[in-house]
Amino acid sequence: DGGITQSPKYLFRKEGQNVTLSCEQNLNHDAMYWYRQDPGQGLRLIYYSQIVNDFQKGDIAEGYSVSREKKESFPLTVTSAQKNPTAFYLCASSPTQGGGNTIYFGEGSWLTVV
Amino acid sequence: AQSVTQLDSQVPVFEEAPVELRCNYSSSVSVYLFWYVQYPNQGLQLLLKYLSGSTLVKGINGFEAEFNKSQTSFHLRKPSVHISDTAEYFCAVRNSGGSNYKLTFGKGTLLTVNP
Repeated sequence: DGGITQSPKYLFRKEGQNVTLSCEQNLNHDAMYWYRQDPGQGLRLIYYSQIVNDFQKGDIAEGYSVSREKKESFPLTVTSAQKNPTAFYLCASSPTQGGGNTIYFGEGSWLTVV
Repeated sequence: AQSVTQLDSQVPVFEEAPVELRCNYSSSVSVYLFWYVQYPNQGLQLLLKYLSGSTLVKGINGFEAEFNKSQTSFHLRKPSVHISDTAEYFCAVRNSGGSNYKLTFGKGTLLTVNP
């Protein structure tokens, strides 16, 4: 089945550690995105990429890093510089050709700092 | 810059009652508008989208939304809700032109359908 796979679903991190969230898509989409969701805050864009080997900061990029070495993959690293990393993280992808393209979401990953 | 305001953070209704979830947006350029639904502990699923043409858009699960350019609104409606419609609903906007495809989301409305 085509879709977006995020792993792990649940992740616990000790303070001071970096962690990486995986996102893989087999939809052949050019664009990929990472959003952070906090209760009552909606979704906020962390990073996005519209082509391999290129990515741009979103609204809350501080303390995060990404790479886009392959079209199918867009991993997100939450670094120790992120002061409040506990949240639900959503990966998404979309085509870039044509207008009004739908953004499709993965099932999300919960990150908890312990 | 764009912004989206969802006017109600929570909407409780009884089963089989009609519901309207309100969304207003702000943008200096033409936009596309979207409604997504999120069930607990899951990702987002597209309900419907407005790109152009008819201002009344029909989506999945019996939902529809009406684009009102003069009021910069895109309210979501359903004439009769079910228990299974209990979820969080997000309104989102993006530029209709250019090469930037990222969405800006509202803070969400939690719809709770009671028996």
